[in-house]
Amino acid sequence: DSGVTQTPKHLITATGQRVTLRCSPRSGDLSVYWYQQSLDQGLQFLIQYYNGEERAKGNILERFSAQQFPDLHSELNLSSLELGDSALYFCASSGSSSPLHFGNGTRLTVT
Amino acid sequence: ELKVEQNPLFLSMQEGKNYTIYCNYSTTSDRLYWYRQDPGKSLESLFVLLSNGAVKQEGRLMASLDTKARLSTLHITAAVHDLSATYFCAVDSNYQLIWGAGTKLIIKP
Repeated sequence: DSGVTQTPKHLITATGQRVTLRCSPRSGDLSVYWYQQSLDQGLQFLIQYYNGEERAKGNILERFSAQQFPDLHSELNLSSLELGDSALYFCASSGSSSPLHFGNGTRLTVT
Repeated sequence: ELKVEQNPLFLSMQEGKNYTIYCNYSTTSDRLYWYRQDPGKSLESLFVLLSNGAVKQEGRLMASLDTKARLSTLHITAAVHDLSATYFCAVDSNYQLIWGAGTKLIIKP
């Protein structure tokens, strides 16, 4: 168990809809990362937060947004969903000088 | 822009054999990670390599780092079926991790 909790585990929704993915980092970790992984693909970095502030942004679509709250949990909002957004979405957290610890992911299916 | 290249991207091998996965990166970095991912599962941290010449071993896996050559290797000794997975390397660059594409390893009995 990595200590990173992601909810929900599975999400099925229709095109055009909006969903929110939730992540609770490991206790004490200030950094939260979001990644997208499509079937049999590598990891696409979306965005990183550190202690509530956005630190780095990757290839995140304008339809996607995220935030990190004062209690350090994070949410990833995906709107105007398209079929191509179907993927595994991972959250990871880290402390200073530590490797990323990944949650079990949210599997999003857009129909 | 830092780029990370892994090779091979796909590897099918027999149990008992040895093989090496390579991770090349394009600019200087002093921190490299290896992760393992089973199909449809999360990523598990295997090794953190922090300095030139670093070598770490866990069971049949051994990772090394040569910062001058900008190269890390993940060596598999006497492979067993349970090591079948996708292996990713990632390089630290200005608070971001730049990821390789992953090496899908299939070990046949």
